[in-house]
Amino acid sequence: KQEVTQIPAALSVPEGENLVLNCSFTDSAIYNLQWFRQDPGKGLTSLLLIQSSQREQTSGRLNASLDKSSGRSTLYIAASQPGDSATYLCAVLRGEDSNYQLIWGAGTKLIIKP
Amino acid sequence: DVKVTQSSRYLVKRTGEKVFLECVQDMDHENMFWYRQDPGLGLRLIYFSYDVKMKEKGDIPEGYSVSREKKERFSLILESASTNQTSMYLCASKAGHNQPQHFGDGTRLSIL
Repeated sequence: KQEVTQIPAALSVPEGENLVLNCSFTDSAIYNLQWFRQDPGKGLTSLLLIQSSQREQTSGRLNASLDKSSGRSTLYIAASQPGDSATYLCAVLRGEDSNYQLIWGAGTKLIIKP
Repeated sequence: DVKVTQSSRYLVKRTGEKVFLECVQDMDHENMFWYRQDPGLGLRLIYFSYDVKMKEKGDIPEGYSVSREKKERFSLILESASTNQTSMYLCASKAGHNQPQHFGDGTRLSIL
C-alpha cells in the first residue's frame, strides 16, 4: 500500500533563507508527483507536477525534484519570503490499480519569519 | 487559468437536514473530485467522477452521494447531515490522469 510521508511537520525559518521540504513514498510505481500549497482556511494551489519520467520541475523560486528509485521528492524554495508561509502538501498519483487517485502526505507547515 | 468555484465558503446546517454542496469548473475538465479535510486526518477522497453521469466511490463515501448531470458541475449531497460531517469540503478538477488537480476555495460546513 502506497504511503506518503512529509517530514518535518512544521518548519520555521528566517526570511531570505533557502529551504528544502521533503516528501517520501513507499512504492516507486507512480505516474507523477504533485506539490501544492494551502493557505489557512483556503483550498489548495497546484505548484508543480513532476511526471514519473522527469527528474525535476522549476517554477520561479521553486524547484521540485523526483528520485523514484529512492522514493523521494524535494521542494526547494529559494530566497524565502513571508508570503511563502503556508502548508505544503505532496501527493503521488498511482495508476490503474488505484483508479488514478492521489495519495496524500500530511503536509509541512512552513513559517517564514520577517 | 482554471477556475473551480464552490458555491459557499461557509455553511451551517442542522442535524438531519439534506445538504447540497455545489462545485463548478470552467475548463471543460472531465475529472472532478470531492474531498474532506480534517485536522490530523488530512485530505480524504469522498467521491470522484470521470465523466457526466459517472461516479466512483472514494475512500469515505458513507453518508454522501454525488450528482454530475453536466460536465462542469459536480454536486456533493449529504443525505441526512450528522455532526461528524462537520468539516472542510474541497472540490477539485483536472483534465486527464497526468494533469494537475485544481482546487476550489473550499466550503467550511458546520452541522449543529
